[in-house]
Amino acid sequence: SQQGEEDPQALSIQEGENATMNCSYKTSINNLQWYRQNSGRGLVHLILIRSNEREKHSGRLRVTLDTSKKSSSLLITASRAADTASYFCATAFLYNTDKLIFGTGTRLQVFP
Amino acid sequence: GAGVSQSPSNKVTEKGKDVELRCDPISGHTALYWYRQSLGQGLEFLIYFQGNSAPDKSGLPSDRFSAERTGGSVSTLTIQRTQQEDSAVYLCASSSTGIEQYFGPGTRLTVT
Repeated sequence: SQQGEEDPQALSIQEGENATMNCSYKTSINNLQWYRQNSGRGLVHLILIRSNEREKHSGRLRVTLDTSKKSSSLLITASRAADTASYFCATAFLYNTDKLIFGTGTRLQVFP
Repeated sequence: GAGVSQSPSNKVTEKGKDVELRCDPISGHTALYWYRQSLGQGLEFLIYFQGNSAPDKSGLPSDRFSAERTGGSVSTLTIQRTQQEDSAVYLCASSSTGIEQYFGPGTRLTVT
């Protein structure tokens, strides 16, 4: 079964706007990762946040983690049409970090 | 360097036939993962290999599914007596750290 659920399932915005995606999970984790998928094919790793971190930045990406609420958010600032993709969170269990469990994904559409 | 490669990129087969899907991980990566993604869905974990350890087969949906990893490198996922519900994109990923995973482009399997 899937560990993470993402919200919203789909998001449509205009270029320049910010996009926020949320992920909730069920069990204690070692780290949480966000991946991007174009056109239903291979995924690309975007960013990793460890369970003892609360916020992390990478370029236009900002990730937060609230372990008390078992939730994370991914913020993409100043979105571009090229950001159009599906975004997935993935969690690594506390005692088995080798295996990732992926969420259901958010489909982001950025209109020029 | 070369990324994860998968072959074939597309496979159409008749119900009841066996299929083999191949994954070439990044050289030196000790961990290899197989996932299945049905249309518009998240990733479903299938099986995981780590070095010489026994594989984690906990995600295989039935005994028609099996996987091998020869020489700690190339992996083959075999589906016997394919069913229409097996139609999906099969994704392979490899990792050196057991943390960030690098994905191949996937094999789109269609069972008619």
